[in-house]
Amino acid sequence: DIQMTQSPSSLSASVGDRVTITCRASQSIRSYLNWYQQIPGKAPKLLIYAASSLQSGVPSRFSGSGSGTDFTLIISSLQPEDFATYYCQQSYSTPLTFGGGTKVEIK
Amino acid sequence: QVQLQGSGPGLVKPSETLSLTCTVSGGSISSYYWSWIRQPPGKGLEWIGYIYYSGSTNYNPSLKSRVTISVDTSKNQFSLNLSSVTAADTAVYYCARVRAYYYDSSRYYFDYWGQGTLVTVSS
Repeated sequence: DIQMTQSPSSLSASVGDRVTITCRASQSIRSYLNWYQQIPGKAPKLLIYAASSLQSGVPSRFSGSGSGTDFTLIISSLQPEDFATYYCQQSYSTPLTFGGGTKVEIK
Repeated sequence: QVQLQGSGPGLVKPSETLSLTCTVSGGSISSYYWSWIRQPPGKGLEWIGYIYYSGSTNYNPSLKSRVTISVDTSKNQFSLNLSSVTAADTAVYYCARVRAYYYDSSRYYFDYWGQGTLVTVSS
C-alpha cells in the first residue's frame, strides 16, 4: 500500500494568513494526488484533483502543486470558512489511501 | 446537481452484518464508479471499495474478505454489506461518486459525497 504522510498534523493561523500543507507519498504517484476539505460534522469536499486542478466552484485562493512524492496545498489568504481538516489522497494505485489529515485552527 | 443519500441502521451487533444503501439523485448511476469510504470517530479516512454501474468491483484488501458492494441501476442505488463486524468497524460511512481523471480513465478521485451515516457496533 502507498502511505501518505501529511505535515503538520495541525496548525494555528489567523484570517488572512498564507497556509501551506504538505503531503508526501511513500513512492512516486506521479500527479495522481487529490485534496479534500472536511468541516467538522460534514462530509469531505473535493478541492483539488490531479495535484493542481481546481475543482469547479472552489475559490481560487486554494492551489495545489507537486509531483512524484511531494505535494503542497496552499491557501493564499485564509478565510473564516477555511478552518477545517484537510486530507490528501493518492489515486495512483489501489488500495486508494488518504493522509492522516491536517487540522487548521484559529489562532 | 448530483446528490447522494446514505441510509441504514445506526446500530449493529458484534458478529452481525452491517448493511447500508446509497441513493443517487440528480443524475444517473450509469457510466460512473461508486464508492464507500469510512471514518472512525476522531480518525482519518479509509477507502472500502468501489463498484462500476455494470457490477465490477474493487475492494480494499484489508476488508476484502468481509465486504460486498452491489448496485441496483433500476433504483439508482448502490449498497454496502460488511460481515462479522466488531467494535473496530464503528465509523461514519460515506458513499461517494468516483470520477476518472480526464487524461487517465483508470485512476480516480471522489467528487460528490453523501452526508455520512454513523454506524455503531455494540451489543
